[in-house]
Amino acid sequence: GAGVSQSPSNKVTEKGKDVELRCDPISGHTALYWYRQSLGQGLEFLIYFQGNSAPDKSGLPSDRFSAERTGGSVSTLTIQRTQQEDSAVYLCASSLAQGDTQYFGPGTRLTVL
Amino acid sequence: GNSVTQMEGPVTLSEEAFLTINCTYTATGYPSLFWYVQYPGEGLQLLLKATKADDKGSNKGFEATYRKETTSFHLEKGSVQVSDSAVYFCALLYSGGGADGLTFGKGTHLIIQP
Repeated sequence: GAGVSQSPSNKVTEKGKDVELRCDPISGHTALYWYRQSLGQGLEFLIYFQGNSAPDKSGLPSDRFSAERTGGSVSTLTIQRTQQEDSAVYLCASSLAQGDTQYFGPGTRLTVL
Repeated sequence: GNSVTQMEGPVTLSEEAFLTINCTYTATGYPSLFWYVQYPGEGLQLLLKATKADDKGSNKGFEATYRKETTSFHLEKGSVQVSDSAVYFCALLYSGGGADGLTFGKGTHLIIQP
């Protein structure tokens, strides 16, 4: 079946602009995760949704980052007033339920000029 | 907090050589352990996993055994191929309450030469 999809695959933006990244999980997966992959920090966990709710937002790097999930499916990660240090690949993953194996999407490469 | 330490590369081997990539972890409780692989230009894929002590995960000729006494999950393969060239990530998942995200090591870049 279809895997996790993410859009856009690449995004180039100017410093100070807002960006929205989208994740479409595997159908039927109730848990959804966002990660960031950068050269300096490696792979970092950002936030997790069980259904539409995010129990713990402490992994988000700053208050410029927010995420939501609606209808138990699609999720968006929004970065406001982007900074150059936000440049990274943003990965989304989903799992059937909390604690199950996570399956990753191809990522969105964000470049902030 | 939870952490994963793995040897950083690049690791360069000849085809048909024996591979070991070391991975050790620090965690409260009893996490599940994973190896993910990222082939050039592709996304992260699950390679294998183990959910409790002494479990052995295996896939595509790769194996790793969950060793609670040494807090390790070393990845091994008896005879590597050029197509195994990729970045390998060791990870743990601790579901003892809280965020439930994977904690990854820094990744090991493996290069197999013909």
